[in-house]
Amino acid sequence: QAALTQPPSVSGSPGQSVTVSCTGTSSDVGYFNRVSWYLQAPGTAPKLLIFEVNNRPSGVPDRFSGSKFDNTASLTISGLQAEDEGDYYCSSYTSSSTVIFGGGTKVSVL
Amino acid sequence: DVQLLQSGGGLVQSGGSLRLSCAASGFTFSSYAMSWLRQAPGKGPEWVSDIGASGYSKYYADSVRGRFTTSRDNAKNTLYLQMNSLSADDTAVYYCARDVSGIFNGLDVWGQGTTVTVS
Repeated sequence: QAALTQPPSVSGSPGQSVTVSCTGTSSDVGYFNRVSWYLQAPGTAPKLLIFEVNNRPSGVPDRFSGSKFDNTASLTISGLQAEDEGDYYCSSYTSSSTVIFGGGTKVSVL
Repeated sequence: DVQLLQSGGGLVQSGGSLRLSCAASGFTFSSYAMSWLRQAPGKGPEWVSDIGASGYSKYYADSVRGRFTTSRDNAKNTLYLQMNSLSADDTAVYYCARDVSGIFNGLDVWGQGTTVTVS
């Protein structure tokens, strides 16, 4: 199954809002509300930011938010901070009872 | 503290086998579905397998189905991944992770990762 499509990179200045998109199909993102977002710093395991499209685990700042429209999910970072730099990955459950990931988006703080 | 401690990685020849372990602590292991994922050098994460909380339901990526087997021992709070017929394409850092709720809804606790290198 093809990976979800993410932009390779997104950048913004401190305090700005940035949005990372994640496009799938009607067999994954478009059908299930099981989209997750992760942030991975170099050499570390991914960290869960958003699950089930728009739910934040405890401890994740509320400036991270998720949404979905049709086959595209989005992660918005409001009030960008230097510590938000890293690689962001989306994932989705699929109709084949598998999980697929996006190719990743490098977020840079200018 | 909620923790997943992995062991069992290493160097193995093509066609060989390896078993990974993931010891859970700090939470009721038997109440959570668990996942295995891997990440090849310079690539994003790839989902490998999921196992339900009881151990009866198991799911695999096409790339490993028939070669890898996920199991768990809830009495020992440990998750396993038996990997057979390994090839160079299986070289990666392997992670175990806890499903945040139910199954396939997101992974909130991750192990430290263990490196598998197939030569």
